Amino acid sequence: KQEVTQIPAALSVPEGENLVLNCSFTDSAIYNLQWFRQDPGKGLTSLLLIQSSQREQTSGRLNASLDKSSGRSTLYIAASQPGDSATYLCAVRRVYGQNFVFGPGTRLSVLP
Amino acid sequence: NAGVTQTPKFQVLKTGQSMTLQCAQDMNHEYMSWYRQDPGMGLRLIHYSVGAGITDQGEVPNGYNVSRSTTEDFPLRLLSAAPSQTSVYFCASSWREARRNEQFFGPGTRLTVL
Repeated sequence: KQEVTQIPAALSVPEGENLVLNCSFTDSAIYNLQWFRQDPGKGLTSLLLIQSSQREQTSGRLNASLDKSSGRSTLYIAASQPGDSATYLCAVRRVYGQNFVFGPGTRLSVLP
Repeated sequence: NAGVTQTPKFQVLKTGQSMTLQCAQDMNHEYMSWYRQDPGMGLRLIHYSVGAGITDQGEVPNGYNVSRSTTEDFPLRLLSAAPSQTSVYFCASSWREARRNEQFFGPGTRLTVL
């Protein structure tokens, strides 16, 4: 059974810091891994999608890496801003069954 | 494109009532799914579909029914609502092909069962 964990559960940093969010999964048989952002009371917004054959993806101040063999992904946020405050979730798409499995999320607060 | 739409946004039911949560997408995605999100539990898959006429159970299917008669629509039916089904429900869609299967989410339906 695929299990996805995220560390830390919550993180509070001052504005301007670079930070790393971690995502781990137990079964390396995945098609891809996707990072999402969720603001309170809102839906999920896709940030980055990494295919299983890729090592990293970048979008603006965000960089996501994937090490499928070790079951890990990291989301790097450069020069954090208060507007980055949200919950960040990772999800893997399983090869068997094709469904997605989500991690519990990391709640990020960026203080001005 | 409207993307993934869900109705209603909010709903209050009494125990034992039935209702249908609507989900539609205009991106011609084959894959659609329903999740529930509860505090401390994360997002859990209820049912999913890889194409019209094909549905399958996810992690927490009990008490819910789905059907997929068209590519665009994937309604979720609560047969006899229970307080344990109080949650936020999200619908999502994506291409089935592995190289293009970025998931897109609807805004959610907040359901309270009294």
